[in-house]
Amino acid sequence: DQQVKQNSPSLSVQEGRISILNCDYTNSMFDYFLWYKKYPAEGPTFLISISSIKDKNEDGRFTVFLNKSAKHLSLHIVPSQPGDSAVYFCAATWIQAGTALIFGKGTTLSVSS
Amino acid sequence: DTGVSQNPRHKITKRGQNVTFRCDPISEHNRLYWYRQTLGQGPEFLTYFQNEAQLEKSRLLSDRFSAERPKGSFSTLEIQRTEQGDSAMYLCASSFPRRGHEQYFGPGTRLTVT
Repeated sequence: DQQVKQNSPSLSVQEGRISILNCDYTNSMFDYFLWYKKYPAEGPTFLISISSIKDKNEDGRFTVFLNKSAKHLSLHIVPSQPGDSAVYFCAATWIQAGTALIFGKGTTLSVSS
Repeated sequence: DTGVSQNPRHKITKRGQNVTFRCDPISEHNRLYWYRQTLGQGPEFLTYFQNEAQLEKSRLLSDRFSAERPKGSFSTLEIQRTEQGDSAMYLCASSFPRRGHEQYFGPGTRLTVT
């Protein structure tokens, strides 16, 4: 039973436009959420995170929004660049446990110039 | 380079052989995690250490898998009697004390069992 779901396997966006990647979770115990970016043959690279006490966190071109009532989060990339083309993973955990990150299956973002 | 490092980066082995992977975490990190990633899936948690103590193991970690972190620094993951289903990317991550929710990953070891 998948606790973290990324229902869109792929997303194609033109350079300069907004990319929106979505993630849903089922476990209400999760209180910390992360987005990782992964290039082929490399490990996941931390991108941005958000605690459940917030509904938005911004870092440069990347913004994560959290809707706790809907158990939904999204990553916005504005403006999108060709170098953003990668697989994006949503992950969730509960801070007190401090152990496993639970990952979604990922969304492959392709940004065309 | 002060990131998480893993060796080897690639390993091809025949079914039934034993393999061992090594992970060197970021030096200030006392927590170390192992994950496995198969095609089309996100990373799946296997086990984690705080210093030299192995504190949690996933049900994915069968009896053929063993992980150690003898001096609380680097860690090894051994797979005995490999099977084709063990083919995957094995990822190591580390984190600061009390910040286990922020994990930094290494480049992974790609295992292919023929």
